[in-house]
Amino acid sequence: DAKTTQPPSMDCAEGRAANLPCNHSTISGNEYVYWYRQIHSQGPQYIIHGLKNNETNEMASLIITEDRKSSTLILPHATLRDTAVYYCIAHAGNNRKLIWGLGTSLAVNP
Amino acid sequence: EADIYQTPRYLVIGTGKKITLECSQTMGHDKMYWYQQDPGMELHLIHYSYGVNSTEKGDLSSESTVSRIRTEHFPLTLESARPSHTSQYLCASSLGGGLSGNTIYFGEGSWLTVV
Repeated sequence: DAKTTQPPSMDCAEGRAANLPCNHSTISGNEYVYWYRQIHSQGPQYIIHGLKNNETNEMASLIITEDRKSSTLILPHATLRDTAVYYCIAHAGNNRKLIWGLGTSLAVNP
Repeated sequence: EADIYQTPRYLVIGTGKKITLECSQTMGHDKMYWYQQDPGMELHLIHYSYGVNSTEKGDLSSESTVSRIRTEHFPLTLESARPSHTSQYLCASSLGGGLSGNTIYFGEGSWLTVV
C-alpha cells in the first residue's frame, strides 16, 4: 500500500472549517484513499473514502487532486467533539497490509 | 454505528495470570482483526482472521493467541501476562470483498495493565 504523509498536528477554531491534508504521491491506480479518526481512548471510526472523485457524506468532504497525489479531508463546521487523531490511508483492498501511521492530531479550540 | 463489542474495557491483572479479551460483532463480517496500540503510537496488526477456523499472525509479533470458532466471535488470550503486555487492544472487523467491504469497524478497545 502507498505511504501517506500527514502533518503531526493542527489547530482549528470551533465553528470553522478544518482542512486536513494528506500526501500520497506513490499511490497506484487501484488504491483508494480512506480517512478514519480516533477519539482519545476509543477505537478508530471510519469517516469517508474515495478513488478519484470528490466525495461528501454527513461527516465530511474528501477532495482528491486530479493527479491523485494528495487529498484533503474537510470538516465544514468543526466542533469540540471533532478533536481527534485523523488517519489517511491509501490501499487497494487488503486490510491486512494497512499502514496506519501516526495521523494528524486535530485540536478544535473554543 | 458499528456493532462490534469488546470486553472488558479496562483490566488490571497480576503478572503470570491468564486473560482472555472478548470481541463480538453482529454484522456477519468474515474478516476480523486484533490490533495493539500504545498511547500516542501507531496501530499494529497482531492477529487476523479470514473466517471461521482461519487465523494468521499479524506484522507485530505477539505472545497472544486467538481463535475463530464462530463468525461473530474472535477472542484473544494471553496465557501468562507480563508487564510488557500492557497496552490497548483493539478488535475490528470488515465485510471483505469489493470496495464497500474494505471499511474497517472497530470496537472501543480493551485497556490492559499488567502489574
